[in-house]
Amino acid sequence: QQQVKQSPQSLIVQKGGIPIINCAYENTAFDYFPWYQQFPGKGPALLIAIRPDVSEKKEGRFTISFNKSAKQFSLHIMDSQPGDSATYFCAASMGTSGSRLTFGEGTQLTVNP
Amino acid sequence: GAGVSQSPSNKVTEKGKDVELRCDPISGHTALYWYRQRLGQGLEFLIYFQGNSAPDKSGLPSDRFSAERTGESVSTLTIQRTQQEDSAVYLCASSFLQGATGELFFGEGSRLTVL
Repeated sequence: QQQVKQSPQSLIVQKGGIPIINCAYENTAFDYFPWYQQFPGKGPALLIAIRPDVSEKKEGRFTISFNKSAKQFSLHIMDSQPGDSATYFCAASMGTSGSRLTFGEGTQLTVNP
Repeated sequence: GAGVSQSPSNKVTEKGKDVELRCDPISGHTALYWYRQRLGQGLEFLIYFQGNSAPDKSGLPSDRFSAERTGESVSTLTIQRTQQEDSAVYLCASSFLQGATGELFFGEGSRLTVL
């Protein structure tokens, strides 16, 4: 019930493409869904987050789509750039109770020039 | 600096030795996490300190692993009798918890190599 399943494990796109990373969860009590970005040798950093009262959130070139009935959420990166090459982690928690974050397995994204 | 600080950044040890990893969270952050990341893998939850509540230790893989936190400050992760499978980057994160899960700020990790 605490698991968050992420796919794909790796993804290669050309510059300008729109990579999509998907996550699914089981625990319907989860109410906070962030995405973290990690560059080699660094700790992950918060990219964007959504709560289930909305179906979509955009911040710059990054968009989260959220489907509460399917218990799925995804990250879309518009006009991807080589600098977006990193590992992306989705996560979930029962945010309003301050519970711990559970992370997905990660997606290694490569954006070719 | 104002970020999460971890030390040592790199530690090489021999199998069977004990190691201590230290985390200095951002001042005022009430929540503190430890995660383990094996090479090319995801973030494996180890332990979570939330204010004055009892820590969530459900992720500790064995009784060789333990962690302490002094109030809302420094935390130490101790691994006793290290094994080769303990080799990984150990990441610490802190968060300002105000009744809800907030943004986690990660340190750069402590890379542990067990020979």
